[in-house]
Amino acid sequence: GENVEQHPSTLSVQEGDSAVIKCTYSDSASNYFPWYKQELGKRPQLIIDIRSNVGEKKDQRIAVTLNKTAKHFSLHITETQPEDSAVYFCASVASGYSTLTFGKGTMLLVSP
Amino acid sequence: GAVVSQHPSRVICKSGTSVKIECRSLDFQATTMFWYRQFPKQSLMLMATSNEGSKATYEQGVEKDKFLINHASLTLSTLTVTSAHPEDSSFYICSARFPLSGGYTFGSGTRLTVV
Repeated sequence: GENVEQHPSTLSVQEGDSAVIKCTYSDSASNYFPWYKQELGKRPQLIIDIRSNVGEKKDQRIAVTLNKTAKHFSLHITETQPEDSAVYFCASVASGYSTLTFGKGTMLLVSP
Repeated sequence: GAVVSQHPSRVICKSGTSVKIECRSLDFQATTMFWYRQFPKQSLMLMATSNEGSKATYEQGVEKDKFLINHASLTLSTLTVTSAHPEDSSFYICSARFPLSGGYTFGSGTRLTVV
């Protein structure tokens, strides 16, 4: 089955800095890669996603890049703010299947 | 957008009792729902995939007789934790796939504490 590795497990940055979280996946048939933000005790919230026919996608301060050859994708947050502090999960879905496979998560702490 | 409503949000029960968690898709029909368990500071682990009108598919290591899943309609899936024990204490979250876009929506989660 699919295996998703996520790094780093924790990331501390100063407000205004950029943050990058990286994930790799194992199943070359994976074609959908969402990123979720989860605050303590709450549901995961989709912040951005990318499909395998696209190499990069951007939404204001958030961007995701995908390298299908290397089977890795990354989340980039620019101009970080304290309210960006949360746990971020990457995930993947293989073509023909419907189950999400999650990475282990990255706790992002943005200090004022 | 597509919304999944999950209840209860918190429940405390005694060891040996059963607890039912409900997930309803409010504005779309969810032929498939997913049930996850999340322990503190860990990721979401898929427990089972629930298909309307048929038996759920359980992930390896998940006891189907302990975690009963029912998906009797296109808008409701339930997870019953039977004979709960303290080690079952966790955050349980349901999810459904958007019928058109293919994205996923999550319920608000249920914090189960077994005492």
